[in-house]
Amino acid sequence: GEDVEQSLFLSVREGDSSVINCTYTDSSSTYLYWYKQEPGAGLQLLTYIFSNMDMKQDQRLTVLLNKKDKHLSLRIADTQTGDSAIYFCAERDTDKLIFGTGTRLQVFP
Amino acid sequence: DTEVTQTPKHLVMGMTNKKSLKCEQHMGHRAMYWYKQKAKKPPELMFVYSYEKLSINESVPSRFSPECPNSSLLNLHLHALQPEDSALYLCASSHPPNLAGGFQETQYFGPGTRLLVL
Repeated sequence: GEDVEQSLFLSVREGDSSVINCTYTDSSSTYLYWYKQEPGAGLQLLTYIFSNMDMKQDQRLTVLLNKKDKHLSLRIADTQTGDSAIYFCAERDTDKLIFGTGTRLQVFP
Repeated sequence: DTEVTQTPKHLVMGMTNKKSLKCEQHMGHRAMYWYKQKAKKPPELMFVYSYEKLSINESVPSRFSPECPNSSLLNLHLHALQPEDSALYLCASSHPPNLAGGFQETQYFGPGTRLLVL
């Protein structure tokens, strides 16, 4: 995770939007991913974006990619308490995934 | 079906024990992975198998021994572990990487085995 940076913590009120940011380093990455990890559980694939796209929307999730700045973000609309978890961005380096440091999202009522 | 299963869910072992972690998938994936995740850290890659052959070993100590008996199964044999090896061990699978780098190479993860070494 040393090459892929994320802010450590985000706290939002239920119903608001959450934006989780990620800065990656490998400009040749073809796919970038967002995974969600709930306490004591494995990683759940949330969404992905191909490197020739700027934006992808999937229900409450919107992914934005700025290739010039190597910046990836995940916006969660209408955040719910069930969205509380750690979110990891990841870039693919041939057959390896390089994970970000993870952002803990806490949703309060 | 995008399910990867792992057994056991929890494991406690002494430093002289021998145990094995198991992982199974039936998605037709021919690449399988072991990751180690310490608390509050991202997963770190340990091993990659592609077409049942070990393709990547990230300088993992020999007390961890992976095995891929067939295209659906992946094992991790543990022997003489240390307390610092206590972690969540995650298995993942995907279609093997190819030059095109397609989405089919997305990795799907199991729920993990939480290992405690005493």
